Amino acid sequence: DTGVSQNPRHKITKRGQNVTFRCDPISEHNRLYWYRQTLGQGPEFLTYFQNEAQLEKSRLLSDRFSAERPKGSFSTLEIQRTEQGDSAMYLCASKRGFEAFFGQGTRLTVV
Amino acid sequence: QKEVEQDPGPLSVPEGAIVSLNCTYSNSAFQYFMWYRQYSRKGPELLMYTYSSGNKEDGRFTAQVDKSSKYISLFIRDSQPSDSATYLCAMSGTGGSQGNLIFGKGTKLSVKP
Repeated sequence: DTGVSQNPRHKITKRGQNVTFRCDPISEHNRLYWYRQTLGQGPEFLTYFQNEAQLEKSRLLSDRFSAERPKGSFSTLEIQRTEQGDSAMYLCASKRGFEAFFGQGTRLTVV
Repeated sequence: QKEVEQDPGPLSVPEGAIVSLNCTYSNSAFQYFMWYRQYSRKGPELLMYTYSSGNKEDGRFTAQVDKSSKYISLFIRDSQPSDSATYLCAMSGTGGSQGNLIFGKGTKLSVKP
């Protein structure tokens, strides 16, 4: 499978714990995006990488959130001190031109 | 006013019907218009994309963009039960941060056999 891969697919965590998600984009795509999707809503932009440089962060990305893309390959999204409001589907997309291809997402539940 | 407005439905149609899905938008900088299909608990799957105004056809699917009205549509002909999903419109500007996709809320479609 040469599509966008996200791990884990599901994560249940207790409030206050830290969680980290991983995204492996399509290998020749240099742009990588993270989105968050809650029930009944479309995906909302969180942050964007061009190669290893994080070029933009949404105001949705509080200081508890951090994302990295070392060496311009895979990316990680970490949420520190999780809150119940962080429960959502976290989607990663990699982009060729203007076509964005999404992974299957990581569904986070904070209990 | 949100940048992209999309009626969330739900929309229920009989098998074989023609389905019309629509979005309106407010940002005149949008140049790229996309439709994604999302099955329950899955990531969005790119169905069609259009640059600027015009029509594009792919099998049973037709995408239309009217930039003068800031209105886009997706038509599905001969709808099938397998088309039952949430359809998301998305749009972006050109390059850099303008390349971020702005999504509608999605319209949930159910095609009944």
